[in-house]
Amino acid sequence: DIVMTQSPDSLAVSLGERATINCKSSQSVLYNSDNKNYLAWYQQKPGQPPKLLVYWASTRESGVPDRFSGSGSGTDFTLTISSLQAEDVAVYYCQQYYSTPLTFGGGTKVEIK
Amino acid sequence: QVQLVQSGAEVKKPGASVKVSCKASGYTLTHYSIHWVRQAPGQRLEWMGWINAGNGNTKYSQKFQGRLTITRDTFASTAYMELSSLRSEDTTIYYCARAENGDYVYLQHWGQGTLVTVSS
Repeated sequence: DIVMTQSPDSLAVSLGERATINCKSSQSVLYNSDNKNYLAWYQQKPGQPPKLLVYWASTRESGVPDRFSGSGSGTDFTLTISSLQAEDVAVYYCQQYYSTPLTFGGGTKVEIK
Repeated sequence: QVQLVQSGAEVKKPGASVKVSCKASGYTLTHYSIHWVRQAPGQRLEWMGWINAGNGNTKYSQKFQGRLTITRDTFASTAYMELSSLRSEDTTIYYCARAENGDYVYLQHWGQGTLVTVSS
């Protein structure tokens, strides 16, 4: 199974400041035949299901604000919130879909400083 | 709009089975897959398996092989997850999620979750 490791476990950021979340996979999730990274990011607010933010490592889901951006390739990925808003307080998860079982990172809790 | 509405909370005794439903609306069930993911309190999301709602083919995580059955009723636009031989560690929230057909997918739309409690 591919193990997904996120860092940090939590971070506190001032409103309007940048938040950066890292995700590392135990093996590459870049599929050479289509040159795509099989990596997604989700946001989960308390009492709610996860919400898809980014797929193919950097493609924003429809309706997701452009302050959210994904980057990285191979085994190292980043989700950046360029200007943190109050409504962005949540836990963020990465997920690989390169192989089954699909696996998720342990989550990063983002709070307001 | 796409909606997945799950059945309500369940309380089961150890050794029993539970069946959770996931009713789809806003799209044709058979055009996509339904995956099941669970999340224990404070734990990471755990993928359980999926069903191609068109042809009924399933794939399960090895962890749940033999205990998990995913089915669908196309006329009711509903998918089901049945987990048997329940133990206390199965106490968690179960989510259904819609994705494109295939093993290697991201999960685009999620149900609201169903809490299953296993307790004697």
